[in-house]
Amino acid sequence: AQSVSQHNHHVILSEAASLELGCNYSYGGTVNLFWYVQYPGQHLQLLLKYFSGDPLVKGIKGFEAEFIKSKFSFNLRKPSVQWSDTAEYFCAVNARNAGNMLTFGGGTRLMVKP
Amino acid sequence: DAGVTQSPTHLIKTRGQQVTLRCSPKSGHDTVSWYQQALGQGPQFIFQYYEEEERQRGNFPDRFSGHQFPNYSSELNVNALLLGDSALYLCASHYPGEWAQETQYFGPGTRLLVL
Repeated sequence: AQSVSQHNHHVILSEAASLELGCNYSYGGTVNLFWYVQYPGQHLQLLLKYFSGDPLVKGIKGFEAEFIKSKFSFNLRKPSVQWSDTAEYFCAVNARNAGNMLTFGGGTRLMVKP
Repeated sequence: DAGVTQSPTHLIKTRGQQVTLRCSPKSGHDTVSWYQQALGQGPQFIFQYYEEEERQRGNFPDRFSGHQFPNYSSELNVNALLLGDSALYLCASHYPGEWAQETQYFGPGTRLLVL
């Protein structure tokens, strides 16, 4: 069974700082990879996804993520965060043999100080 | 275009009781998945319904059951509630597709508290 690890549980940054949130998964086969965001009081929304092709994927609001297959990683990045990026971020994996099931990491709570 | 809707938003039950949660998928979607999100954790997959049948199930006991109606809406039923069932229950819908090629859209969730 696949699993997902997000190593940073809480991150505090000042506005304009750069962001990188780690995500590692354990599964040896082909995967789809996702980052979801949950803003305060709102529901989960898709930030970006990787299915195949260019391992560097760009999402909404200036976020991007890089799939490094050899490291089983899919880290999320943003060059300059804003106060409005304060939210909880979840990495999720879907494995080819797991149908449509998403396996989520434990989440990273990001706070951006104005 | 309405997104995924869930009802009720909050619910309080006591141990041993039964609960039913409801979900209406996003317009055009015919596949519904349910997830449980305990406090401070990521969502965990419970099961998925397609064409009114359970297509896939996660590691949850038989106390958790579901149903999908011809209009694609879905119910999650939990019997013999335990304190540990307290969580946010999320519904997600998507178009049919191969192994999650289709983006799953999540509803706001139902927060269940078991006392």
